[in-house]
Amino acid sequence: DQQVKQNSPSLSVQEGRISILNCDYTNSMFDYFLWYKKYPAEGPTFLISISSIKDKNEDGRFTVFLNKSAKHLSLHIVPSQPGDSAVYFCAASDRGDMRFGAGTRLTVKP
Amino acid sequence: NAGVTQTPKFRVLKTGQSMTLLCAQDMNHEYMYWYRQDPGMGLRLIHYSVGEGTTAKGEVPDGYNVSRLKKQNFLLGLESAAPSQTSVYFCASRTWGQWITEAFFGQGTRLTVV
Repeated sequence: DQQVKQNSPSLSVQEGRISILNCDYTNSMFDYFLWYKKYPAEGPTFLISISSIKDKNEDGRFTVFLNKSAKHLSLHIVPSQPGDSAVYFCAASDRGDMRFGAGTRLTVKP
Repeated sequence: NAGVTQTPKFRVLKTGQSMTLLCAQDMNHEYMYWYRQDPGMGLRLIHYSVGEGTTAKGEVPDGYNVSRLKKQNFLLGLESAAPSQTSVYFCASRTWGQWITEAFFGQGTRLTVV
């Protein structure tokens, strides 16, 4: 059973606009959530995270929102840049276990 | 500072052969993970370890075994490789503390089973 779901395989946005990537989870034991960015032939790299005691965390152009009651999180990128084009994975973790979604391929067009 | 290093980077196996993938981290991290990445499936957790001498199953553990005899190393073994195990394998590690921290990933091992 997939405990972390990213239902949009791809997203295309114009440079300068907002990118919104969504993620849902099913396991209420998860208390820490992360977003990773991945380029081809490389390992994923950490982007931003949020703990379950918060509902928002911001780092520059990246903001993650968490809605615990809906078991939903989202990543906002504002403004989007062509260099943001990559596959984005969300992850959810309890103390040890860490599960990932299937990823969303973001394409930012100049 | 090497971070997380995976060995080998590429490998081709024949069905039924065995092999071991090595993950080494130099950050003194307690937690280590093995994932596989397949098209459309994202990163799926195979096994993980929360400390030296401990291992736990993830979501797709069948056909794999792991060992964590030393804190810095996490080995993933395939006893009898099958074509369904053709994938890109990623190892990750992270530290333990009051708050859960981000994991650092290796560059991946591309395995083809023919």
